[in-house]
Amino acid sequence: AQTVTQSQPEMSVQEAETVTLSCTYDTSESDYYLFWYKQPPSRQMILVIRQEAYKQQNATENRFSVNFQKAAKSFSLKISDSQLGDAAMYFCAYRIYIIQGAQKLVFGQGTRLTINP
Amino acid sequence: GAVVSQHPSWVICKSGTSVKIECRSLDFQATTMFWYRQFPKQSLMLMATSNEGSKATYEQGVEKDKFLINHASLTLSTLTVTSAHPEDSSFYICSAQSKDWYTGELFFGEGSRLTVL
Repeated sequence: AQTVTQSQPEMSVQEAETVTLSCTYDTSESDYYLFWYKQPPSRQMILVIRQEAYKQQNATENRFSVNFQKAAKSFSLKISDSQLGDAAMYFCAYRIYIIQGAQKLVFGQGTRLTINP
Repeated sequence: GAVVSQHPSWVICKSGTSVKIECRSLDFQATTMFWYRQFPKQSLMLMATSNEGSKATYEQGVEKDKFLINHASLTLSTLTVTSAHPEDSSFYICSAQSKDWYTGELFFGEGSRLTVL
């Protein structure tokens, strides 16, 4: 069964600094998608970044980038130049294919990120 | 990105009553919708997957008679919590998958907070 593990329940960083959130996963598939979602206090889930497993290049979205290590099944998120608005719960997620072309997401436990001014 | 709307955003009800939560995809057709439950400071737990025009598929341990899901159209899915009890109090989140599921992204609603007195 696919599992996603986030070993850091909480992280904190000074504003403008860089922080890395870790995520590992377990799968027997060779092609899959990985995601980082952000859940601010409003509770709205927001997609931060996604990575397709067959792409060796690490995904980047402005200040957000990932370090995807397929062999190690590791998918960490790096936030550069941290801003107060980055404070949120961050969830790593793995996409599972189900029948008839549908998918579902398996989420990690989450990491609560605090930004210190 | 695509918009998914949930209604109501919060609801308080008496024990023993039923509550219906709606999830609508506003600008795309959602072939599949997902219902999650989230306890405080915890991750999202998938409850069920619903496909338009067919019965929902429930995750192990989720009572299908307690949590009724209907996906009557390509833009609307409803979750009805029947005979609600205080232990059903939680944050419920829906997500929707468009026909272009291969892009890998699911779109989330704003969530609905249910409090059962």
